[in-house]
Amino acid sequence: AQSVAQPEDQVNVAEGNPLTVKCTYSVSGNPYLFWYVQYPNRGLQFLLKYITGDNLVKGSYGFEAEFNKSQTSFHLKKPSALVSDSALYFCAVRPASGGSYIPTFGRGTSLIVHP
Amino acid sequence: ETGVTQTPRHLVMGMTNKKSLKCEQHLGHNAMYWYKQSAKKPLELMFVYNFKEQTENNSVPSRFSPECPNSSHLFLHLHTLQPEDSALYLCASSQDRERDIEQFFGPGTRLTVL
Repeated sequence: AQSVAQPEDQVNVAEGNPLTVKCTYSVSGNPYLFWYVQYPNRGLQFLLKYITGDNLVKGSYGFEAEFNKSQTSFHLKKPSALVSDSALYFCAVRPASGGSYIPTFGRGTSLIVHP
Repeated sequence: ETGVTQTPRHLVMGMTNKKSLKCEQHLGHNAMYWYKQSAKKPLELMFVYNFKEQTENNSVPSRFSPECPNSSHLFLHLHTLQPEDSALYLCASSQDRERDIEQFFGPGTRLTVL
């Protein structure tokens, strides 16, 4: 069975500082990995995905994520945080083949960026 | 906006009421999903429709009944709900069920069951 762990319920960072939101996964075979963001009173919005190729994936709003197969991780990063980045972030995984095509989501990490 | 709309945005109902949630997508997608989002819990997949056919029912109680009359519309009919069913119900769509495709989510319906 596939699973996603987001070990931090909340991440606090000062505006202008780099941010990292952690995600580790478990899946049979190769993974397809996704990050979504949820702003208050909104649904989830797609940020970026890793399918194949370059381990560093660039996405919307200046976010990027690094796929590390040996550590089964897909951490979300941004070089300089903005107050407007404060939101709930979800990591999701699907197996590239076999198993269930349904994505499995993590519990979410609340990112708070302080002015 | 993501191209997926949901109505109503907020709903309060008693345990004996019958109500329906509506989802509409304007993206030309063929797969639609219902999720339940509760605080401090992972997103729970409820139902999946692909080309109007239900392909997944994730052991959802029968008090939740989905309907997909066409590829653009998805309903969730509710009856005799329990207080623990109070949650944010999210609709999503994707081009199809391919594994490398991202989903587009609506803003959700905040449901409170009294």
